[in-house]
Amino acid sequence: EPEVTQTPSHQVTQMGQEVILRCVPISNHLYFYWYRQILGQKVEFLVSFYNNEISEKSEIFDDQFSVERPDGSNFTLKIRSTKLEDSAMYFCASSLTTGTGGWQYFGPGTRLTVT
Amino acid sequence: SQQGEEDPQALSIQEGENATMNCSYKTSINNLQWYRQNSGRGLVHLILIRSNEREKHSGRLRVTLDTSKKSSSLLITASRAADTASYFCATDDRTGNQFYFGTGTSLTVIP
Repeated sequence: EPEVTQTPSHQVTQMGQEVILRCVPISNHLYFYWYRQILGQKVEFLVSFYNNEISEKSEIFDDQFSVERPDGSNFTLKIRSTKLEDSAMYFCASSLTTGTGGWQYFGPGTRLTVT
Repeated sequence: SQQGEEDPQALSIQEGENATMNCSYKTSINNLQWYRQNSGRGLVHLILIRSNEREKHSGRLRVTLDTSKKSSSLLITASRAADTASYFCATDDRTGNQFYFGTGTSLTVIP
């Protein structure tokens, strides 16, 4: 079964550094998402992406965050200047459609630790 | 806020018993999904129920949806120790572009 992959599985970075989290969505999917889950808390929506632009973003997704689909396969989340509170598990997801057909497939996540 | 809320927050049962988890949400939806998350791992989708459906089955899973009460339930029958995980409901907004996850129910199945 096709799956969403994410790299790295664990990223440790110092406060103020830039990080790029990478995702390879399922190849024929059209909609892409990033979520985060702070340890012990709920999964929070960050951003959705379709047709090479952001469809929706949450209030968490401020100017420090950006997303990009640099080629036909990768979907990246960049955090420009990391803060301690950015430490979380970041999940990428993709779906073939949205709305009534929008079943999202999640990657295994990248654990980001900001020190 | 659209966010779903599950109850109970934690549930502990004996193997073989049934487990029921509930989810409530606030505004109109296109569909509602249930996900499972093993400790420290990613999310696995279990079942999707559309707003015009009332009940859906998949193996040992049974999901109901009551749009008038804005609530859903997930029933796991004949539970197994391997069912131990956190279970989340997720709802979309009307555009389907955002998904909102609830706080989750932590299920422990005791062998």
